[in-house]
Amino acid sequence: QVQLVESGGGVVQPGRSLRLSCAAAGFVFGDYAFHWVRQAPGKGLEWVSLISSDGSATYYADSVKGRVTISRDNSRNTLVLQLNNVRPDDTAIYYCAKDWGGDGWYYLNHWGQGTLVTVSS
Amino acid sequence: SYELTQPPSVSVAPGQTASISCGGKNIGTKTVHWYQQKPGQAPVLVVQDDSDRPPGIPERFSGSHSGFAATLTINRVEAGDEADYYCQVWDTTSHQGVFGTGTKVTVL
Repeated sequence: QVQLVESGGGVVQPGRSLRLSCAAAGFVFGDYAFHWVRQAPGKGLEWVSLISSDGSATYYADSVKGRVTISRDNSRNTLVLQLNNVRPDDTAIYYCAKDWGGDGWYYLNHWGQGTLVTVSS
Repeated sequence: SYELTQPPSVSVAPGQTASISCGGKNIGTKTVHWYQQKPGQAPVLVVQDDSDRPPGIPERFSGSHSGFAATLTINRVEAGDEADYYCQVWDTTSHQGVFGTGTKVTVL
């Protein structure tokens, strides 16, 4: 059974950094691309970033480009999102989601329960 | 940047049919996926690749794609279908994912 568990959320001051993790289990982690998707309070879903199965390709939303880095450790079945220079509009629940394929341009067929990031002074 | 537009809300009586549209420029050239999100929960994929149902999704959920818009249809609506629904595509020009604005389905 696919399990995705996010961690690392919390309250962070504007301009600081935060590292989110997603621990995966129940499937061959290294075979699939992964995404981060966020949802601001009371708002809709926003795609944030994609990493291919082997980590060689990464993509970012314009809203986070230059401030966010996605990475993965296939030996530890872990996905990471590093957020730098956070802003109040980064406040959201951050979900990790598994792609159907290895390149990443398919559908998101499994999602974690999310971790809440609150940017506030 | 690419945008997908959905109606903000749809209201439907139990047993009736709910239809949710998803529109965007040249959407006919894109593959559309649909997600259901109930309050306080993570999204769940309900339609993949325009019209296919993932395992475990009831046959009451179906998707279609006319070329001008994609549509999610929920037949014989139940109280448990009350949720927010989002369409999603990949913008291959910018290499970014795009979600629709979301539609809240209310079961009367």
